[in-house]
Amino acid sequence: AQRVTQPEKLLSVFKGAPVELKCNYSYSGSPELFWYVQYSRQRLQLLLRHISRESIKGFTADLNKGETSFHLKKPFAQEEDSAMYYCALSKGGGNKLTFGTGTQLKVEL
Amino acid sequence: SAVISQKPSRDICQRGTSLTIQCQVDSQVTMMFWYRQQPGQSLTLIATANQGSEATYESGFVIDKFPISRPNLTFSTLTVSNMSPEDSSIYLCSVGLAATGELFFGEGSRLTVL
Repeated sequence: AQRVTQPEKLLSVFKGAPVELKCNYSYSGSPELFWYVQYSRQRLQLLLRHISRESIKGFTADLNKGETSFHLKKPFAQEEDSAMYYCALSKGGGNKLTFGTGTQLKVEL
Repeated sequence: SAVISQKPSRDICQRGTSLTIQCQVDSQVTMMFWYRQQPGQSLTLIATANQGSEATYESGFVIDKFPISRPNLTFSTLTVSNMSPEDSSIYLCSVGLAATGELFFGEGSRLTVL
């Protein structure tokens, strides 16, 4: 069965500092990986997906199949990045997602 | 994209009662899903709501406890039956875009069972 692990429940960084939210997965096939974000008082929404290879709001994530990781990175944290971030895995491109437990990112001034 | 409305947004319920959550989408979608997020835990898929046929339940979830309706391509309901305090959770409706794999979520329904 597939599994997504986010080891940090809370990550606190200062504004302007680099950010890395960790995500590891286990799945025997070819997964699709996503990062979803939930800002305060807003609904859960897609941030980025690995097949797009794009940068959204300064965030990037590279799928490393050797390490089975999909860490989310941003070189300079902004206050508005404070939110809950969920890593998620889809089997073969379907819409059924397996979510990690989430990491609360807090960017301090 | 898709805009999803869920009702109720929150409710406090008594043990042993049942509650139905409604999910309305602003466009016709093939795939609708119901997730549960228990306190301090991740989102767990309960079932896929299929239009015109029975819902497909994930391991650990059964129709008697979580009956689902999907009368058309824009609407679904999830009922939480015979509730106990362990059912206190946020229940989320979501719809998927098959082309991109992206999920759109409702705001969630926060249930507290006393």
